[in-house]
Amino acid sequence: EVHLLESGGGLVEPGGSLRLSCEASGFTFSSSAMNWVRQAPGKGLEWVSTISASGGATFYADSVRGRFSIGRDNSKNAVSLHMYSLGEDDTALYYCVHGWNALDSWGQGTLVTVSS
Amino acid sequence: DIQMTQFPSTLSASVGDRVTITCRASLSIESWLAWYQQKPGKAPNLLIYKASNLESGVPSRFSGTGSGTEFTLTISSLQPDDSATYYCQQYNSYPRTFGQGTRVEIK
Repeated sequence: EVHLLESGGGLVEPGGSLRLSCEASGFTFSSSAMNWVRQAPGKGLEWVSTISASGGATFYADSVRGRFSIGRDNSKNAVSLHMYSLGEDDTALYYCVHGWNALDSWGQGTLVTVSS
Repeated sequence: DIQMTQFPSTLSASVGDRVTITCRASLSIESWLAWYQQKPGKAPNLLIYKASNLESGVPSRFSGTGSGTEFTLTISSLQPDDSATYYCQQYNSYPRTFGQGTRVEIK
């Protein structure tokens, strides 16, 4: 069974930085693309970023490109999201998600709140 | 970017009703479309992939059709457990994009 456990969320001031982590189990991590998807309070889903299985290809939403950086460590079955220059619009529940095409397994999310 | 337009935004139906949600893409996405169900306080759950393929474990009352720019998700006989918000998502190209969501309520 796929299990994805996010961590690293919290309260951060505007302009600040945060690093999210996701520990994966139950599947062959090194063969799997991984994603981050976020959901602002009371709003819909927004795809944030994707990293290929090898880590050689990364993709970002326009809203975060240049401020967020996705990474992975296949030796630790972990994916991360480094977030910089955070603004109030980045306040959301951030989900770690498995899948290259359809997003077939989701973690429970970690909440990021950007506020002064 | 490919825009995904979903409608209606909300629908209310009775148990046993047939329910249809529509998702329209601003450009052709062939069949690269997924549908998700999200219940309050929970993570989304994949229902349908590649427009019409039922994910393992999903009840057969859910079905998906369409290709190109027009897609539908149908619940053949609405059940109380189907009260949720449903999202479509294209994965034809980056950036991946979701529809705005359809909230399904049980009368």
